Amino acid sequence: RKEVEQDPGPFNVPEGATVAFNCTYSNSASQSFFWYRQDCRKEPKLLMSVYSSGNEDGRFTAQLNRASQYISLLIRDSKLSDSATYLCVVKNGGFKTIFGAGTRLFVKA
Amino acid sequence: DVKVTQSSRYLVKRTGEKVFLECVQDMDHENMFWYRQDPGLGLRLIYFSYDVKMKEKGDIPEGYSVSREKKERFSLILESASTNQTSMYLCASSSTTEGEKLFFGSGTQLSVL
Repeated sequence: RKEVEQDPGPFNVPEGATVAFNCTYSNSASQSFFWYRQDCRKEPKLLMSVYSSGNEDGRFTAQLNRASQYISLLIRDSKLSDSATYLCVVKNGGFKTIFGAGTRLFVKA
Repeated sequence: DVKVTQSSRYLVKRTGEKVFLECVQDMDHENMFWYRQDPGLGLRLIYFSYDVKMKEKGDIPEGYSVSREKKERFSLILESASTNQTSMYLCASSSTTEGEKLFFGSGTQLSVL
């Protein structure tokens, strides 16, 4: 079983739609959680950290469910520019950062 | 903004060649990392360094070595390149005091023929 698992997609949604991604992790001792965004042929960039209380940044909302060991990312009012691969990232303490394989999102006009 | 610069965007090498991938960061970050990214597998950590001349193995160090002689520079070395090392290589840096955000270089697509 992979330490961090994501649905690879692709998710194809129209502009304006709401879309949600989940990511599960296997290590219950995991400490920190993040979503990174990676555009085609580009490097990953931090989108947002995920806090226990949940957090929101504009159209993006991230939540953590420790009991069920998953994190989620909700994108409201999708834009064409949101088309990218979204990487779920889990940190288990120290320098060990584990990346999921990513979920591809296509937003179409 | 932090800048992480990788020396080559595309590289083509032959099996058995020694390959050097260079990475330089300009923000005085303590930590530097080398990842490879393959379709369906995500990013996998090869090596990392938390200080000059210090190095630690990641999840897939076999066939690779690293060098960190200066704080800003972290080199990945393929001692004898093989076709299964064809991949996208990403360098990253982070600051111990500024949280856990990773800053990535733009990557080197290495093809070993």
